[in-house]
Amino acid sequence: AQSVTQLGSHVSVSEGALVLLRCNYSSSVPPYLFWYVQYPNQGLQLLLKYTTGATLVKGINGFEAEFKKSETSFHLTKPSAHMSDAAEYFCAVGSSASKIIFGSGTRLSIRP
Amino acid sequence: EAGVVQSPRYKIIEKKQPVAFWCNPISGHNTLYWYRQNLGQGPELLIRYENEEAVDDSQLPKDRFSAERLKGVDSTLKIQPAELGDSAVYLCASSLEVRVYYEQYFGPGTRLTVT
Repeated sequence: AQSVTQLGSHVSVSEGALVLLRCNYSSSVPPYLFWYVQYPNQGLQLLLKYTTGATLVKGINGFEAEFKKSETSFHLTKPSAHMSDAAEYFCAVGSSASKIIFGSGTRLSIRP
Repeated sequence: EAGVVQSPRYKIIEKKQPVAFWCNPISGHNTLYWYRQNLGQGPELLIRYENEEAVDDSQLPKDRFSAERLKGVDSTLKIQPAELGDSAVYLCASSLEVRVYYEQYFGPGTRLTVT
């Protein structure tokens, strides 16, 4: 069975500060890992994904995430937050069974 | 390229009434998903189609929910009768193929309120 835990349902940072959203997963097989973003009243949009290969994955809008197998983590970071980054972020894990399990989400707020 | 289209965007009904949601996936996408997203939670898969075949409906409450994807394109999700606990956002997504590493493209969702 697979599962995802997102630490912190709400994270608030100042504009220009580092963004760090935490995600830990559980999987009995090599996982595929994803970060999605959801803006108010919109569907989810893929930020980045890890399948195989390089463990540091770069995505859209300046975000990146690092797959750490030993820590079963896939934390999302951005060096400098922008007001437009305010949204809900979802970590997800998938397997060869073609099913993706989403975490419960982290709401990111940006302080001016 | 047009994205995933869903209608209606919002729906308010009384309990025990029926309701239907419609989804038009991205052209050429063989795989279609219906998810339910409760307030403050991530999406949960209800059903997945490969072309017109439902290949994973294990999480679909079959006593009241039904879905179809005629001709392997548009899809409809129905609830009859609706219950208060069905209030949620219903998301449709599509992907080029079924393998999990193919990106899923999500529609804006239908927000259902059952009173």
